[in-house]
Amino acid sequence: AQKVTQAQTEISVVEKEDVTLDCVYETRDTTYYLFWYKQPPSGELVFLIRRNSFDEQNEISGRYSWNFQKSTSSFNFTITASQVVDSAVYFCANTGNQFYFGTGTSLTVIP
Amino acid sequence: GAGVSQSPRYKVAKRGQDVALRCDPISGHVSLFWYQQALGQGPEFLTYFQNEAQLDKSGLPSDRFFAERPEGSVSTLKIQRTQQEDSAVYLCASSLWANRGFGYGYTFGSGTRLTVV
Repeated sequence: AQKVTQAQTEISVVEKEDVTLDCVYETRDTTYYLFWYKQPPSGELVFLIRRNSFDEQNEISGRYSWNFQKSTSSFNFTITASQVVDSAVYFCANTGNQFYFGTGTSLTVIP
Repeated sequence: GAGVSQSPRYKVAKRGQDVALRCDPISGHVSLFWYQQALGQGPEFLTYFQNEAQLDKSGLPSDRFFAERPEGSVSTLKIQRTQQEDSAVYLCASSLWANRGFGYGYTFGSGTRLTVV
């Protein structure tokens, strides 16, 4: 069965600190896709990144970076030099015929 | 419109009341999902439409939940005889792509927060 685990329920950091959000997934599919979404207080899910199972190359986009390791079934997300606007709930997800979301990590960036 | 629009934004229902939640996907989008997000949890799948066809309703928690998309655009999620456990945010997402396994290009709405009292 598909499953996504985000062990960190809440994280608080001081502005400009780096923060890493952990994600561990389970799947029996050989081809699958992994995602990170951001959910600000307004409620919509904002797409951040999509990776396929064949591409383990890590990615950096501005202050965001992602570390995908199939050997440990992990897809961790790092924000460098955090800002107050980064405060939100972050969800990791993978896909089979639908999105399977983790329970989310609530990030609070303190000014 | 530019995004996925859901209405109402908030709904308070008395237990036992029927409710209807509306989703206006992005024009031309083929795939449409409904998700239920309980407080402090991640969204959980309810149902999937490809155009007007409901291809998967395995996530609907009971026969009190019913979804339709009669013309392949606007979708309505109806909950009959609401119960307190139905209190959640109901999210709608749409995509131009028919292959839902890709998970690509999905745009989520802001959701309808349903509170059953």
